[in-house]
Amino acid sequence: EAQVTQNPRYLITVTGKKLTVTCSQNMNHEYMSWYRQDPGLGLRQIYYSMNVEVTDKGDVPEGYKVSRKEKRNFPLILESPSPNQTSLYFCASSLASGTIPYEQYFGPGTRLTVT
Amino acid sequence: AQKVTQAQTEISVVEKEDVTLDCVYETRDTTYYLFWYKQPPSGELVFLIRRNSFDEQNEISGRYSWNFQKSTSSFNFTITASQVVDSAVYFCALSGHYTGTASKLTFGTGTRLQVTL
Repeated sequence: EAQVTQNPRYLITVTGKKLTVTCSQNMNHEYMSWYRQDPGLGLRQIYYSMNVEVTDKGDVPEGYKVSRKEKRNFPLILESPSPNQTSLYFCASSLASGTIPYEQYFGPGTRLTVT
Repeated sequence: AQKVTQAQTEISVVEKEDVTLDCVYETRDTTYYLFWYKQPPSGELVFLIRRNSFDEQNEISGRYSWNFQKSTSSFNFTITASQVVDSAVYFCALSGHYTGTASKLTFGTGTRLQVTL
């Protein structure tokens, strides 16, 4: 089954404790992206990746890191989480044939609470 | 800079009513792509449609239809004869061509649609 998986689905942590949210897709998609969803703000893009070893900042990258060492995986790293990073996080992937953006397939979401 | 505005925060309708969700966008790109996604109460995000800036034909898919008007920078979504299962948050989104810095996808803030019996 074609899918995007995220782990963990729920996480409660404390300020400053490094964490990683994993994202994996089995559709051989070139494009992967992370978003955060906050009430009243919709989804905002954190980082995206056009392919292996190619990443770039979205609209709200501060406090986050990503890496793309393999095509299928795109982990999101919070080196020193703070309470304002409490949010619902979505990973997504899509084809990226040439310059055309295709529809994105989203993971189930990770609800992160930082206390 | 890209921007998507969904001015309707929440809409409530009675089943079988028609409802239109508004989406207004801003971009400097001449080639761009518009999307609609649905987020039902279960939380997942579901793709509904993609439209490129050169195709202004309206599209109909069952009870769903989309009206793209470049002159007003709008890409509105209409649900005909709404049903309770249509209750969800609907997001409009905008992307330019994928060319490095133009690879962002910008979402609106979403419109919550509540359909009641």
